[in-house]
Amino acid sequence: NAGVTQTPKFRVLKTGQSMTLLCAQDMNHEYMYWYRQDPGMGLRLIHYSVGEGTTAKGEVPDGYNVSRLKKQNFLLGLESAAPSQTSVYFCASKWPYTEAFFGQGTRLTVV
Amino acid sequence: AQSVTQPDIHITVSEGASLELRCNYSYGATPYLFWYVQSPGQGLQLLLKYFSGDTLVQGIKGFEAEFKRSQSSFNLRKPSVHWSDAAEYFCAVGAKDQGAQKLVFGQGTRLTINP
Repeated sequence: NAGVTQTPKFRVLKTGQSMTLLCAQDMNHEYMYWYRQDPGMGLRLIHYSVGEGTTAKGEVPDGYNVSRLKKQNFLLGLESAAPSQTSVYFCASKWPYTEAFFGQGTRLTVV
Repeated sequence: AQSVTQPDIHITVSEGASLELRCNYSYGATPYLFWYVQSPGQGLQLLLKYFSGDTLVQGIKGFEAEFKRSQSSFNLRKPSVHWSDAAEYFCAVGAKDQGAQKLVFGQGTRLTINP
């Protein structure tokens, strides 16, 4: 039982490049989330999904897109990376009315 | 919309001393409340949660937290800290009437333990 798995764990991008972060959960959770963590700012919600085929914007959605084609996967895309997107990205999943389970994070550097 | 404030960015305590980390939330209805801990380079691990019932909740690693509706607070406590408690701690709030769909996190409190 792996829980929440994020791929990749580290990545360096050049400004303007694109990439996709993958989150996979094996707990059959309905809800999935993408957060970014920056020093002194805690975790800020980028996008989330309350079920397969659904997505919604969080607090800081600009510059990111997401898709949830399968219940167990939640993809975060950066179409044209900017240095301001240098951050640690966390995926999480949960059932309604319960706590969230987090992945180990993806450290992204945009140069 | 809900929000969370953790007033202390960084706290230093001596090993064996007691600890209290503050958390204040803003939400118009009954919230779901959580404390998570993050060790360096790791993801977040749930320490404890409050959904309803007894306002004093026990968690893992000897931590407890008390929900005080009148003060909109959910402070985390531990009677005697260990060096392994050094980490960053996050308080989070979820809207109960929405199944806690969205968890809003505070800015975090970094805990340093002096030997």
